[in-house]
Amino acid sequence: GQQVMQIPQYQHVQEGEDFTTYCNSSTTLSNIQWYKQRPGGHPVFLIQLVKSGEVKKQKRLTFQFGEAKKNSSLHITATQTTDVGTYFCAAYRGYGNKLVFGAGTILRVKS
Amino acid sequence: SAVISQKPSRDICQRGTSLTIQCQVDSQVTMMFWYRQQPGQSLTLIATANQGSEATYESGFVIDKFPISRPNLTFSTLTVSNMSPEDSSIYLCSVGDRGLEKLFFGSGTQLSVL
Repeated sequence: GQQVMQIPQYQHVQEGEDFTTYCNSSTTLSNIQWYKQRPGGHPVFLIQLVKSGEVKKQKRLTFQFGEAKKNSSLHITATQTTDVGTYFCAAYRGYGNKLVFGAGTILRVKS
Repeated sequence: SAVISQKPSRDICQRGTSLTIQCQVDSQVTMMFWYRQQPGQSLTLIATANQGSEATYESGFVIDKFPISRPNLTFSTLTVSNMSPEDSSIYLCSVGDRGLEKLFFGSGTQLSVL
């Protein structure tokens, strides 16, 4: 079945440094979604990307969808302690309505 | 957006017993999804619960172990049956918006089996 591979598994940065997590698929994706899960919390939707080459920004967060719609990235500029958590990408499997999640990237920020 | 109330928030159970998790949504939704998240891991879809029909289970999950009810468009339950320590995990219910362009999650049930 369709899977999304996510790297890195874990990243520990100094406050103010940038952070990027990447998702890759062997098959073309119809869209990709990103979620954030704070420690002890539940996943919260951040954004959905649909178009080839799409770039969306939310304050310090920049989301990109690759031209081939097989990869995506989330970049955080100048991390803050409030950015701590696990970031998941997710994509629908095949033509169905089953959202499959990547392994997630755990972000820790040292102040 | 959808507001999801999930309970219990946590429970400690004995091996061999069963636990039923409830999920209440503040609006009518066609599909509800049940996920499992083992400690430090990603989310794995258990099943999709549709009102008026049997739930659709993912590979590795069976109805006898995880029976699901969906009596109406705002409510669902997931039962974890004959529990073993391997069932210790966080269980999350979720619903999608109308176009399934985003999922909303309940706060989760943290289950520990002794």
